[in-house]
Amino acid sequence: SAVISQKPSRDICQRGTSLTIQCQVDSQVTMMFWYRQQPGQSLTLIATANQGSEATYESGFVIDKFPISRPNLTFSTLTVSNMSPEDSSIYLCSVEGGPQGYTEAFFGQGTRLTVV
Amino acid sequence: GNSVTQMEGPVTLSEEAFLTINCTYTATGYPSLFWYVQYPGEGLQLLLKATKADDKGSNKGFEATYRKETTSFHLEKGSVQVSDSAVYFCALSDRGNNDMRFGAGTRLTVKP
Repeated sequence: SAVISQKPSRDICQRGTSLTIQCQVDSQVTMMFWYRQQPGQSLTLIATANQGSEATYESGFVIDKFPISRPNLTFSTLTVSNMSPEDSSIYLCSVEGGPQGYTEAFFGQGTRLTVV
Repeated sequence: GNSVTQMEGPVTLSEEAFLTINCTYTATGYPSLFWYVQYPGEGLQLLLKATKADDKGSNKGFEATYRKETTSFHLEKGSVQVSDSAVYFCALSDRGNNDMRFGAGTRLTVKP
């Protein structure tokens, strides 16, 4: 299994500012995923982050709004830029696959973001 | 494309009642199927999984059987506890496409 540490666990931010969320995994993994979970909703994939290449964004999400870094096989960051109240959500980091051949997804505890 | 349809909630049960949360899926390949649980204020945790047809996943008294003929993966528990109150997500993973899909989630509340 993979242990994922995500921080901050929660934050309250002013509109127009940016927040960077960090995700640290305890082992090397090929792919890392960022999800958004709006209040009372399911998970929506924002992007897939591979080490050494640009992230792949899902429809409706763009790099200018959600820039992602993936500097190595155990770490990634997601930035929520120029925030508005509509960005208030839980943001989740997830990993699948890797040298150990994981066959399931593991999640961080999430970052609960409130934009005021 | 692949998709998961999950029974809508919320579901409210009394302690020791029987639980069923329905989940059906659509997939072009041979996906793995999962149930995840999200307790208040936490991320998702894997509850159980099944990787091929007729597999039964089980954990903490919960069970689900991968039924290819009905494309279903219903979650069951014979006797729920207050501590089972959480949101449950059905999910599928198509390894060939690195495509993971989640259902809408079902909120379960168990009352003493």
